[in-house]
Amino acid sequence: DAGITQSPRHKVTETGTPVTLRCHQTENHRYMYWYRQDPGHGLRLIHYSYGVKDTDKGEVSDGYSVSRSKTEDFLLTLESATSSQTSVYFCATRLQETQYFGPGTRLLVL
Amino acid sequence: QKEVEQNSGPLSVPEGAIASLNCTYSDRGSQSFFWYRQYSGKSPELIMFIYSNGDKEDGRFTAQLNKASQYVSLLIRDSQPSDSATYLCAVNTNAGKSTFGDGTTLTVKP
Repeated sequence: DAGITQSPRHKVTETGTPVTLRCHQTENHRYMYWYRQDPGHGLRLIHYSYGVKDTDKGEVSDGYSVSRSKTEDFLLTLESATSSQTSVYFCATRLQETQYFGPGTRLLVL
Repeated sequence: QKEVEQNSGPLSVPEGAIASLNCTYSDRGSQSFFWYRQYSGKSPELIMFIYSNGDKEDGRFTAQLNKASQYVSLLIRDSQPSDSATYLCAVNTNAGKSTFGDGTTLTVKP
């Protein structure tokens, strides 16, 4: 267990509201990732970070922003949530080549 | 064409049988390949990784890699009901990112 926590674990919100999901790790891993998982689409990369304040976009970054002000925390923000962003969001860290996943956050946008 | 493709599934095998899961990838420059297992409602966890052509065995699991054919497989021998899960194939890029397949759901029937 790589010591990754996500908060909140469940959230229901309304369309148009901002939402921030938090990922916290205790392993001092340099790389961190945010994925979304939807039925029929597997895991899709939203954004990732390769160090403090160093981030880059993934394949489905539209509508999302991230920040990493310290090694242990990686925040994912939905500036104005839409129903298409209803999903399960997983954070992951990487050590060498292996990724370790957090428990996930279930987000429902009404 | 998707970057990483897996058998669409679902795959059902009787207890004790061999389960065969397949994955193809499009980037010939890919160097490292992973199989993750994901139980329903849980986060993915690493089962095996493979870097070199050939077979790699770990207990009841064998990963096979053929870079010329751009093909990775996972064999599960003596399948158990506890192996019932979704199996995700992942391919790492040099940019520190992973691309995941959509997963194959395996059911092992007692």
